[in-house]
Amino acid sequence: SQTIHQWPATLVQPVGSPLSLECTVEGTSNPNLYWYRQAAGRGLQLLFYSVGIGQISSEVPQNLSASRPQDRQFILSSKKLLLSDSGFYLCAWSVPGYRPYEQYFGPGTRLTVT
Amino acid sequence: DQQVKQNSPSLSVQEGRISILNCDYTNSMFDYFLWYKKYPAEGPTFLISISSIKDKNEDGRFTVFLNKSAKHLSLHIVPSQPGDSAVYFCAAGYQGGSEKLVFGKGTKLTVNP
Repeated sequence: SQTIHQWPATLVQPVGSPLSLECTVEGTSNPNLYWYRQAAGRGLQLLFYSVGIGQISSEVPQNLSASRPQDRQFILSSKKLLLSDSGFYLCAWSVPGYRPYEQYFGPGTRLTVT
Repeated sequence: DQQVKQNSPSLSVQEGRISILNCDYTNSMFDYFLWYKKYPAEGPTFLISISSIKDKNEDGRFTVFLNKSAKHLSLHIVPSQPGDSAVYFCAAGYQGGSEKLVFGKGTKLTVNP
């Protein structure tokens, strides 16, 4: 069966510090991968998605970047965090071309920028 | 531009009664709709979906209804149970949309014993 891992579960970082959040998927090949953010009192905002290694599409101009160095690994990064980067970050995957809209989410990372 | 709207931020129902969560959309290109359930500090869990070629899909206690002319869908939970208390997100996607989903802001459901 497929599983998705995210770490760390919680993170407190000062403004101006770098960020690296990692997501890995097991049990599937060539998945579509997604990064979302849920800010306080708001819905799920799609930040990045990837259909393959090295292929990243950005949805919202921001202080963040994403990379996909391996087929089942998706990394969210920032060089300098802002207070507005605080939120709950979720990674998700889907099987391209087969019930493509059904995305499956990881447990999330709670990021607090102080 | 909010393409998927959940206008009720919260809903409270009694155990055993019906819960009805509503969702409206503006993009007529959407052809697939989903509901997700989310507990605090966890990732959303896929609950049920419906294609635009159908107007109803049922899975146990959960039924989703789609009214394309009104651009409206609803999730019915019957009977409601305390364990159903969570935030429910409506989402939509379409072919040619790069398999991306657009999510609503969610409705917090509280089922009281």
